[in-house]
Amino acid sequence: AQSVSQHNHHVILSEAASLELGCNYSYGGTVNLFWYVQYPGQHLQLLLKYFSGDPLVKGIKGFEAEFIKSKFSFNLRKPSVQWSDTAEYFCAVNARNTDKLIFGTGTRLQVFP
Amino acid sequence: GAGVSQSPSNKVTEKGKDVELRCDPISGHTALYWYRQSLGQGLEFLIYFQGNSAPDKSGLPSDRFSAERTGGSVSTLTIQRTQQEDSAVYLCASSVRDRWTSGYTFGSGTRLTVV
Repeated sequence: AQSVSQHNHHVILSEAASLELGCNYSYGGTVNLFWYVQYPGQHLQLLLKYFSGDPLVKGIKGFEAEFIKSKFSFNLRKPSVQWSDTAEYFCAVNARNTDKLIFGTGTRLQVFP
Repeated sequence: GAGVSQSPSNKVTEKGKDVELRCDPISGHTALYWYRQSLGQGLEFLIYFQGNSAPDKSGLPSDRFSAERTGGSVSTLTIQRTQQEDSAVYLCASSVRDRWTSGYTFGSGTRLTVV
């Protein structure tokens, strides 16, 4: 069965610090990969996604993620965070032969000015 | 409307009562999903509807949970004889058939509290 691991449960950074949130999945076949963000009091929004092609994916608000197939990873990065990036971030994986999107447990990011 | 609409936004119910949660997806979206978000548990898949196909109910945690989708549009998630462990935020999402290029659109959720 598919599963998604987000090892960083709570990350605290100062503004302008660099960010990397880990995401690992377990599935041997072809996958689609996603990062969703949930700002305080708001609904989940798609940040970026990977289906095929260039493993370095650019998303909204300066975020990017790199798919490393050999490591079953899809880590999220941002070179310089802002206070407005404070939110919960969810990694999600879909195996191509299924209809379900499996989410990780989320990482809560707090950015202090 | 422009987004996925869920109602009620908050629901407090007594243990043992039945509750109904409603999801109104984006018009034209053929796929509809229910997830449960519990503190520290991430998003747990519950059920998936795609067009007129039989729903994928593999994520429903017990037979107290059921869902239907009428006319390929509005969906209702019903929890019978609620228990305290049912307290969570219930999220609905919808997508077009080619969901992997468009991703899901989530509603704001229904926060269910069982007292």
